[in-house]
Amino acid sequence: QKEVEQDPGPLSVPEGAIVSLNCTYSNSAFQYFMWYRQYSRKGPELLMYTYSSGNKEDGRFTAQVDKSSKYISLFIRDSQPSDSATYLCAMSAHNFNKFYFGSGTKLNVKP
Amino acid sequence: DTGVSQNPRHKITKRGQNVTFRCDPISEHNRLYWYRQTLGQGPEFLTYFQNEAQLEKSRLLSDRFSAERPKGSFSTLEIQRTEQGDSAMYLCASSFSGVLYEQYFGPGTRLTVT
Repeated sequence: QKEVEQDPGPLSVPEGAIVSLNCTYSNSAFQYFMWYRQYSRKGPELLMYTYSSGNKEDGRFTAQVDKSSKYISLFIRDSQPSDSATYLCAMSAHNFNKFYFGSGTKLNVKP
Repeated sequence: DTGVSQNPRHKITKRGQNVTFRCDPISEHNRLYWYRQTLGQGPEFLTYFQNEAQLEKSRLLSDRFSAERPKGSFSTLEIQRTEQGDSAMYLCASSFSGVLYEQYFGPGTRLTVT
């Protein structure tokens, strides 16, 4: 079993829709939870991070962490065609010796 | 450009050959990570350096793989006796000790083993 599970999609939504992306994990030692966006043939770029449980909002993006359920989410409001990319969740323990990534969810926002 | 750079961007090699990739991190970043990413998968951790010290290695990193970071600046990843299963994107990322969650990734080196 992988340490981080993520639905690969693809997920296709119309412009303006609310998008929900999710990951589950098994390792209780994970303390930091990140979301990355990756465009085709590019390196991932960090969108948001959250420490421990709770919510964090940044513009159209909201990250949620529920450590009791070992479940994290990223919500994108008012989705735009430019949001079309692969979204990767990533997690790490407090020492950041390793980062564990999900397999990525491919999102397509249709104009 | 002050981002993470990787060279070469693409490498095609024949099975059994050795290849070496280079990563230049952001200058003040003391942590450097190497990952491998295959199609439809997320990056898989290979190894990381704190300055010049290699502190963690994945079980994925067989004895054919070696990484160095002399003087704590750029890093190289060498694969000896390449196999077709080594075909992947090799990503490098760096971070600053005060903000370790914030990894900056390079564009990657795409390796094709024929």
